[in-house]
Formats: sequence, structure tokens, C-alpha cells
Amino acid sequence: QKEVEQDPGPLSVPEGAIVSLNCTYSNSAFQYFMWYRQYSRKGPELLMYTYSSGNKEDGRFTAQVDKSSKYISLFIRDSQPSDSATYLCAMRTGGFKTIFGAGTRLFVKA
Amino acid sequence: GAVVSQHPSWVICKSGTSVKIECRSLDFQATTMFWYRQFPKQSLMLMATSNEGSKATYEQGVEKDKFLINHASLTLSTLTVTSAHPEDSSFYICSARAPLAGAQETQYFGPGTRLLVL
Repeated sequence: QKEVEQDPGPLSVPEGAIVSLNCTYSNSAFQYFMWYRQYSRKGPELLMYTYSSGNKEDGRFTAQVDKSSKYISLFIRDSQPSDSATYLCAMRTGGFKTIFGAGTRLFVKA
Repeated sequence: GAVVSQHPSWVICKSGTSVKIECRSLDFQATTMFWYRQFPKQSLMLMATSNEGSKATYEQGVEKDKFLINHASLTLSTLTVTSAHPEDSSFYICSARAPLAGAQETQYFGPGTRLLVL
């Protein structure tokens, strides 16, 4: 079993839709949870960062962490074609090593 | 946000040659740098972690004699792929971590280097 599970998709939605991306994990010691966006042939860009459980909102993006269920989510409201990218969840304990999910490819159709 | 650069952005080389990739943190000092490898449509695989002035820590299955990492300063780390072979063709991405500030995530990624070995 992988430490972090993420459905690779692809996920295709119409413009304006609400997108829900999810990851599950097995290591209860994870404390820091991140979402990265990666455009084709580019490095990952940090999108959202959450420490421990709870919600965090930034513009059209909302990140949720449920440590009791070992489940994290990223919601994108009013999705735009420019949101089309691969979204990687990532997490780590208090140390330096970050574990990444496989990434979900998202396509937002105009 | 902090900026991490990589050079070159892409490289094509012949089998058997060595290739050096540079990773620089442009506006902060990176205590730790990471090197990742990414195959098409797959996630990032950590290859090694390097701290300035000390030897890199390689992940299981990564040949340290093949992938030489040098972290000579707080702003520069290099990855040298020695005697490259076609199976080494991949997208190599570095990241740099600034000194931890409270509970902030401070790992910033470079734009990646695409290596094609013929």
C-alpha cells in the first residue's frame, strides 16, 4: 500500500464547475499537508498549505484536512480553463521528507 | 514567493556522457535541497536530499555513484548524471527549502530539466 493514494484521473469538467480533488494516506504521523499545481513540463507550484486538521481558503481554492479519516481535499470553485493542470497532494511529518501523491490531471473545458 | 532556478532547462546528450544540472535559490539561502525525478504522467520521486556542506542522503534504489550531488553553497546544488544511458532520460526537478519559519511550508521547486539521452 502506498503512503499516499491519489486518483490520477483524468478529470474533465466544464468551465465554472466546482472541482473536488482528494487524497488518502496511511501514515498518521503526517502533520503538514500541501497541494501543488503542475503545468505540463514545469515544476510544481505550491497552491495550498495546511498544518494539522481543518480548512483553509484562498480565493477560489479551499483545502480540507480530516486527520481522523486520513483524507485531504482540494476544492476549486468557478473553475477556469487556466486551472487545467496536474494537481499533486503532498504531505510530511515534522521532518524534511515530503511524500507526493501520483497527481490528478484536471481538464477544464471552455 | 521565493525563486528557484535550474539550468539547463533541457539537454540532449549521447549515451555514455555526463550531464550536470544546476539548481539555484535566487533570493534566499537554502539549508536543504532536494532532487526529484519525474516520468511522464507520474508523480515526483525523491532521489536525494542534500544539506550544504555535507554528503547527500540518497533514497533507496538510487545509485549515488551515478547521480552525483554537490551542495557547495547555500544557494547552489548540482546533480551530475554520470555515464548517462537512455533509461536516464527523464524530467529532473530540484527544490530548495528555506530555514523553517514557524509552521510554514518553505519548499520551493525549480522549473525542471528535461534530459534526453540518445
